[in-house]
Amino acid sequence: AQSVSQHNHHVILSEAASLELGCNYSYGGTVNLFWYVQYPGQHLQLLLKYFSGDPLVKGIKGFEAEFIKSKFSFNLRKPSVQWSDTAEYFCASAPGSQGNLIFGKGTKLSVKP
Amino acid sequence: DTGVSQDPRHKITKRGQNVTFRCDPISEHNRLYWYRQTLGQGPEFLTYFQNEAQLEKSRLLSDRFSAERPKGSFSTLEIQRTEQGDSAMYLCASSRTGNSQETQYFGPGTRLLVL
Repeated sequence: AQSVSQHNHHVILSEAASLELGCNYSYGGTVNLFWYVQYPGQHLQLLLKYFSGDPLVKGIKGFEAEFIKSKFSFNLRKPSVQWSDTAEYFCASAPGSQGNLIFGKGTKLSVKP
Repeated sequence: DTGVSQDPRHKITKRGQNVTFRCDPISEHNRLYWYRQTLGQGPEFLTYFQNEAQLEKSRLLSDRFSAERPKGSFSTLEIQRTEQGDSAMYLCASSRTGNSQETQYFGPGTRLLVL
């Protein structure tokens, strides 16, 4: 079965630290990839997405992600986190022509001021 | 704000009762998805509609669950004879197809607690 794995359940960082959250997907064909973020008390919001082309995609709030096909990975990065980045981050894939998203379990990020 | 809306936001019910949730998608979005999210997990796909047609149902969607989108606009998700295991957040998302770059936008969810 197709799956998405997120390596870290909970990450704790101090402000200004760099962030990298891991995401691996299992589908071997064409795949669309997404990162969603859920801030405390809010609904899921799209952070960034990859469909094709440049494997380095930039999203909102200074986040970026790199698609590495050979590693089946789509890791999320931010050079310098802020307290306001405290949230839960979900990686998701939409394999092939499939419409529904397959989500990872999420990574909770806590940023200490 | 013309995002995806869901109603109610919270629902507490007793085991065995029926519940119905509503989702209003973003205007002109032809696809509408239902997901379920439990504590510590990511959202899991339940079913989706393209316009009024229900195109796919997950194995997670037992016979007690039924969804409709009668006019291709809002959708309802009904759970009959609720069980404690149905307690979860039920999420709705919508998207517009037309090219290969489909992006889903999520509503705030309906949190269900079955006592």
